[in-house]
Amino acid sequence: QKEVEQNSGPLSVPEGAIASLNCTYSDRGSQSFFWYRQYSGKSPELIMSIYSNGDKEDGRFTAQLNKASQYVSLLIRDSQPSDSATYLCAVTTYYGNNRLAFGKGNQVVVIP
Amino acid sequence: DVKVTQSSRYLVKRTGEKVFLECVQDMDHENMFWYRQDPGLGLRLIYFSYDVKMKEKGDIPEGYSVSREKKERFSLILESASTNQTSMYLCASSLPLGTQYFGPGTRLTVL
Repeated sequence: QKEVEQNSGPLSVPEGAIASLNCTYSDRGSQSFFWYRQYSGKSPELIMSIYSNGDKEDGRFTAQLNKASQYVSLLIRDSQPSDSATYLCAVTTYYGNNRLAFGKGNQVVVIP
Repeated sequence: DVKVTQSSRYLVKRTGEKVFLECVQDMDHENMFWYRQDPGLGLRLIYFSYDVKMKEKGDIPEGYSVSREKKERFSLILESASTNQTSMYLCASSLPLGTQYFGPGTRLTVL
């Protein structure tokens, strides 16, 4: 089983709609969870971190964590064309020292 | 703002050459990481360092070595470049248990 899985394929959403991304992880001991955004040809940039169960909101972004079910999700409200990117889920692993396991990412395309 | 810089954005080398990729961070972070990113394979950890002169292998260390002589600088070395090392190389840094911040990346092509 892969450490972090992001299974859904490219996601196309109309401008102004909500984009929903999901991520599952295998290590029950994981403590920290991150969502990175990566534009084509650029490096990943952090958009959200979450450490406890529940929701965390930051502007148009909401991260949701459910440790019992081992999933973390990201909602993008009022999607804008500038949100078109690949979103990477990352989770701390049992290796410690802040070594992260990354999912392969989900591509989001916002259609004007 | 955290700043992580990498020595080159684009690099073209020939098979068998020794290649040095440098990464510098200005936030006094203990941890530094080298990843490579390939289409369909995602981000894969090559090596990381949690202190000066300390290093640990990641998931794909073969064909690579690293050096960390100063806290702010972490170098990735390809001893003898091969075509299958053509990739995007990303450096990151963090505090212990903190968020990883990435540099802009180096797109390496080995001919």
